[in-house]
Amino acid sequence: SQELEQSPQSLIVQEGKNLTINCTSSKTLYGLYWYKQKYGEGLIFLMMLQKGGEEKSHEKITAKLDEKKQQSSLHITASQPSHAGIYLCGAEVGSSNTGKLIFGQGTTLQVKP
Amino acid sequence: DTGVSQDPRHKITKRGQNVTFRCDPISEHNRLYWYRQTLGQGPEFLTYFQNEAQLEKSRLLSDRFSAERPKGSFSTLEIQRTEQGDSAMYLCASSSYRGRWSQETQYFGPGTRLLVL
Repeated sequence: SQELEQSPQSLIVQEGKNLTINCTSSKTLYGLYWYKQKYGEGLIFLMMLQKGGEEKSHEKITAKLDEKKQQSSLHITASQPSHAGIYLCGAEVGSSNTGKLIFGQGTTLQVKP
Repeated sequence: DTGVSQDPRHKITKRGQNVTFRCDPISEHNRLYWYRQTLGQGPEFLTYFQNEAQLEKSRLLSDRFSAERPKGSFSTLEIQRTEQGDSAMYLCASSSYRGRWSQETQYFGPGTRLLVL
């Protein structure tokens, strides 16, 4: 079973709509990272959350880490075709400072113009 | 500002052949990571280095796999006697580690896509 579960696995939205992607774990997350990946390419760093309750925003993307540090959400406001891609959450799960990231299986986002 | 680079970007090989991939991290990044990603899945950790020391290896890394970072700069990942199950994207990432209480962000390269026929 996955240590990090992402939902939904895929998402198709109309341009301009808001959407949320979730990332959950049964263990404490030490450092939660959100990355974006275009098919066949490397991962682009979006945001990193460390503290329970933390929230960060960049342009139209907001990421939150819950107080218990077991769940994170990524919210995109007024989606655009440029937001299309695969969103991956990664985290140090169960212990900190190992450097080793465990990733969810990814959420594929399509934005219809 | 040069990001993480990987070479080659694509590799097609026949089963049983050896292959070697290279990763050049962001300059002055002391940690370097290797991950493997198969279609429809997130990356899986393989191994990582702090400077030239290999600190952890995943059990995914069979004895056919070896990684080196001889001078604490670039790294190579070699797969001997390749199998069809080795077909995947091999991703390299680097970070600047400054102690357990500092934020460490891993920046990824474009990956090397391996196809074993």
